[in-house]
Amino acid sequence: NAGVMQNPRHLVRRRGQEARLRCSPMKGHSHVYWYRQLPEEGLKFMVYLQKENIIDESGMPKERFSAEFPKEGPSILRIQQVVRGDSAAYFCASSPGQDSYEQYFGPGTRLTVT
Amino acid sequence: QKEVEQDPGPLSVPEGAIVSLNCTYSNSAFQYFMWYRQYSRKGPELLMYTYSSGNKEDGRFTAQVDKSSKYISLFIRDSQPSDSATYLCALNKGSTLGRLYFGRGTQLTVWP
Repeated sequence: NAGVMQNPRHLVRRRGQEARLRCSPMKGHSHVYWYRQLPEEGLKFMVYLQKENIIDESGMPKERFSAEFPKEGPSILRIQQVVRGDSAAYFCASSPGQDSYEQYFGPGTRLTVT
Repeated sequence: QKEVEQDPGPLSVPEGAIVSLNCTYSNSAFQYFMWYRQYSRKGPELLMYTYSSGNKEDGRFTAQVDKSSKYISLFIRDSQPSDSATYLCALNKGSTLGRLYFGRGTQLTVWP
């Protein structure tokens, strides 16, 4: 049973470019969360999605960041016009749904903005 | 004040020691409590989760929750060098599908 998959594992972008991070949840999981981990800091919640719906985006910066989880395909976190402060590890987690509060994390995408 | 406080350490212990890791929280709305282990440059791995006050044991790991004091602990018995990692507490405000609030993580090194 494959775990949560994220790609790419490492991504380098120049300032002003766009970054696209992908997450495929565990089989049978329909709930996806994105978290960001800055150096020397804990994991910070960004957004919670179900298929075709954004449930909670209270942790998402208001500008340049967007997320989607289409009916088919992986969840995507998109960062437009990246700045150096966006350099971080971005983790995706998935949850099975009803009556379950465990979240299972992927290996992360490490974004470096040069 | 952060909602979840965790001493980042680092904590260094000899092999075989009992390790105690702790978090405190300020909001009584937190109902679910989890511990994750994160190896360097890897994703967090769920170790244990609990809902109620009291102890929950799984092998060498024991999770303890004291809701009255808003204090949670993870104990590791007979610690091994392979336990060297960062340990993160994560709390949920009572929704089975809600966001997690993480502590900063405690970096643990177990030396042989």
